[in-house]
Amino acid sequence: DAKTTQPPSMDCAEGRAANLPCNHSTISGNEYVYWYRQIHSQGPQYIIHGLKNNETNEMASLIITEDRKSSTLILPHATLRDTAVYYCIVLSQGAQKLVFGQGTRLTINP
Amino acid sequence: EAEVAQSPRYKITEKSQAVAFWCDPISGHATLYWYRQILGQGPELLVQFQDESVVDDSQLPKDRFSAERLKGVDSTLKIQPAELGDSAMYLCASSSDRAFYGYTFGSGTRLTVV
Repeated sequence: DAKTTQPPSMDCAEGRAANLPCNHSTISGNEYVYWYRQIHSQGPQYIIHGLKNNETNEMASLIITEDRKSSTLILPHATLRDTAVYYCIVLSQGAQKLVFGQGTRLTINP
Repeated sequence: EAEVAQSPRYKITEKSQAVAFWCDPISGHATLYWYRQILGQGPELLVQFQDESVVDDSQLPKDRFSAERLKGVDSTLKIQPAELGDSAMYLCASSSDRAFYGYTFGSGTRLTVV
């Protein structure tokens, strides 16, 4: 599975869009980009995933560059409850094992 | 919404003692995982079950850790004897066979070894 690189920490003001970058320059054609987040003292929670097209659900949007070497998770209107560690993970099709890196610690400030 | 149940929520034990954690996955989920998360780090996979069979235990310290899922439903992770370095959050997760739906994690057991 391809490795990912994320900034260790980010800050965002409440109500603004939070844009979390992820670099996955060695991603291969059948690998998906998954995002999970972990709120303090809870288990990780699935957010969204995509292959090459941009994706949107009720939680977030995922923008994947055309060359697929990087992606951005967008929380359109961040709230204090979005403060968490966000993990970007690349998974091959059919894989059933998540491998977590260090993630990005996102702090939403009032 | 279905949840992965874990107990206990917190556990304090003395080093050299035995400790056990329990996990009840979402009904119908064939795959069950145990992860360990040291403070400040991402979760690390310890063991993966498919039904009652171990699929991957390459990162499980087998001299002191054991895991079982006898009937392919709930699972127990045991540490004997516990060491100070075992202090961590132990997370259980389950998934259906379709990986695209992702995993569902429990809230974990916070272990402190003193």
